[in-house]
Amino acid sequence: GAVVSQHPSRVICKSGTSVKIECRSLDFQATTMFWYRQFPKQSLMLMATSNEGSKATYEQGVEKDKFLINHASLTLSTLTVTSAHPEDSSFYICSARDWRYLYGYTFGSGTRLTVV
Amino acid sequence: DAKTTQPNSMESNEEEPVHLPCNHSTISGTDYIHWYRQLPSQGPEYVIHGLTSNVNNRMASLAIAEDRKSSTLILHRATLRDAAVYYCIPPRYGKLTFGQGTILTVHP
Repeated sequence: GAVVSQHPSRVICKSGTSVKIECRSLDFQATTMFWYRQFPKQSLMLMATSNEGSKATYEQGVEKDKFLINHASLTLSTLTVTSAHPEDSSFYICSARDWRYLYGYTFGSGTRLTVV
Repeated sequence: DAKTTQPNSMESNEEEPVHLPCNHSTISGTDYIHWYRQLPSQGPEYVIHGLTSNVNNRMASLAIAEDRKSSTLILHRATLRDAAVYYCIPPRYGKLTFGQGTILTVHP
């Protein structure tokens, strides 16, 4: 099946610093990847759609200058949380879909970000 | 976006079948119905998807109503590892928008 690797699984950073999260499709090409955020006891919230070779499309209310997305290749998308603050602490999850549409959407294992 | 309605929670006993319902009355004719589940502190996991016909895979079965306004995810023999939040989602414009899902508790 399709596999998406997300790294790091857990990160703690100081307030005001930036953090980069990587999302890789291991055995398939993903022209489109998705980034979600999930707060405790809540559902996943779609933040943005990452398109290979072009600008990401952000959902309403998501600050594009704060959450920088780069999708430079067919297997890698990155999310950079810039000038992180404690309220950015959350569980970030990426997703991609095998272009062959065999298995639906595949999700990474998530990144737990804690800003102190 | 097609709105979905799922029960907040359901309970089952181990090795018994579980039927998880989902209403999606505003679904369009070309929207597939996807099901995912999420265990605590993990990313969601694909379970099954279908369009009109009932679907089976190694994890579950998906029964889709003839009018496509509802569907039921069937776990034939629940195990403790099936305890998770189950989401029914018709993707729109290629995106998955998650609702609150159904919390499934499996009792030993």
